[in-house]
Amino acid sequence: DIVMTQSPDSLAVSLGERATINCRSSQSILYSSTNKNYLAWFQQKPGQPPKLLIYWASTRESGVPDRFSGSGSGTDFTLTISSLQAEDVAVYYCQQYYNTPRTFGPGTKVHIK
Amino acid sequence: QVQLQESGPGLVRPSQTLSLTCAVSGDSISSGGYSWSWIRQPPGKGLEWIGYFFNSGTTYYNPSLWGRVTMSADTSKNQFSLKVSSVTAADTAVYYCARGDFYLDGPFPLDVWGKGTTVIVSS
Repeated sequence: DIVMTQSPDSLAVSLGERATINCRSSQSILYSSTNKNYLAWFQQKPGQPPKLLIYWASTRESGVPDRFSGSGSGTDFTLTISSLQAEDVAVYYCQQYYNTPRTFGPGTKVHIK
Repeated sequence: QVQLQESGPGLVRPSQTLSLTCAVSGDSISSGGYSWSWIRQPPGKGLEWIGYFFNSGTTYYNPSLWGRVTMSADTSKNQFSLKVSSVTAADTAVYYCARGDFYLDGPFPLDVWGKGTTVIVSS
């Protein structure tokens, strides 16, 4: 199985400041024939299901604010919230869909400093 | 707008079979080209992918569930189902259904999720 790790576990950021979450996969999730990274980012607020934010490592899902961006390739990825808003308080998960079983990172909890 | 809604018993006895259904609106599970998936989340913990199925009959289940999982579909009702047999307290979780994992021939993210349903395994 591909193991996904995330850092930090928890992150406190002031409103309007940048939040950066890292995700690493135990093997490359870049598919050479498509040149795509099979990596998604989800946001989960308390009592709600996960919401897809980013896929193919850097493509923003429709309707997601442009303060959310994804980057990285191969095994190392980053989710950046450029200017944290109160409604961004949530747990963020990365997930690989390169192969089965699909696996998620353990999550990063973002809260307001 | 695609919507998914899970349903099923909220309480299951140990060693029994957990059965859940996901009703889909706004897309067809038999002709839309997507696979349909189940994911669960134990209380206070992270997400565990259970598996997916295509209406063609192709399925893939997470080996971590040791052959206890079965997924199927009722195309006449546009819904799909999950069964987990021989449940224990470790199967207590919020269970989510979702669209995705595959679209047509290629991997695809889980782009639409149901709200989830809580299942408690207890005597």
